[in-house]
Amino acid sequence: AQKVTQAQTEISVVEKEDVTLDCVYETRDTTYYLFWYKQPPSGELVFLIRRNSFDEQNEISGRYSWNFQKSTSSFNFTITASQVVDSAVYFCAQGRGGSQGNLIFGKGTKLSVKP
Amino acid sequence: DAGVIQSPRHEVTEMGQEVTLRCKPISGHNSLFWYRQTMMRGLELLIYFNNNVPIDDSGMPEDRFSAKMPNASFSTLKIQPSEPRDSAVYFCASSFLARETQYFGPGTRLLVL
Repeated sequence: AQKVTQAQTEISVVEKEDVTLDCVYETRDTTYYLFWYKQPPSGELVFLIRRNSFDEQNEISGRYSWNFQKSTSSFNFTITASQVVDSAVYFCAQGRGGSQGNLIFGKGTKLSVKP
Repeated sequence: DAGVIQSPRHEVTEMGQEVTLRCKPISGHNSLFWYRQTMMRGLELLIYFNNNVPIDDSGMPEDRFSAKMPNASFSTLKIQPSEPRDSAVYFCASSFLARETQYFGPGTRLLVL
């Protein structure tokens, strides 16, 4: 069965600190997809990144970076030089391969960045 | 381009009333998803459609919930009769294909008194 675990329920940092959000997934599928979404206080879900299981290349986008390691079934998300606007709940999610469309979400990590 | 549109954004109703949530997916997207978010259960998929056909409704809580997609640009999620435990945020999402990235609407915050 699929499962996504975000062990960190809440994290609090001071502005400009780096912070890493952990995500561990479980699956028996050989092809799958991993996602990160951001949910700011306003409530919408904002797509951040998608990775395919066959592409372990790490990615950097501005202050955001993602580390995908199949050996440890992890897909961690790092924010460098955090800002107050980064305060949100961050969700890791897994999608199955083939034509199936259901996403399995982790419970989310609430990040608070204080000035 | 317009994103996923949901209406209403907020709904307050009394137990026993019928509630209808509406969703307009992104134009050109072939898959549509309904999710529910609660503090206790987090984000969970209720049902999804491919090309207007329901594919997986295993997440629909019970017969009080029903969803339709009469055409490619409109879907409804109906709760009849509503109960206080249905209070949640209901999100609609769409994607080009089922396995592609899902883009979410702003959600409908439902409160059943």
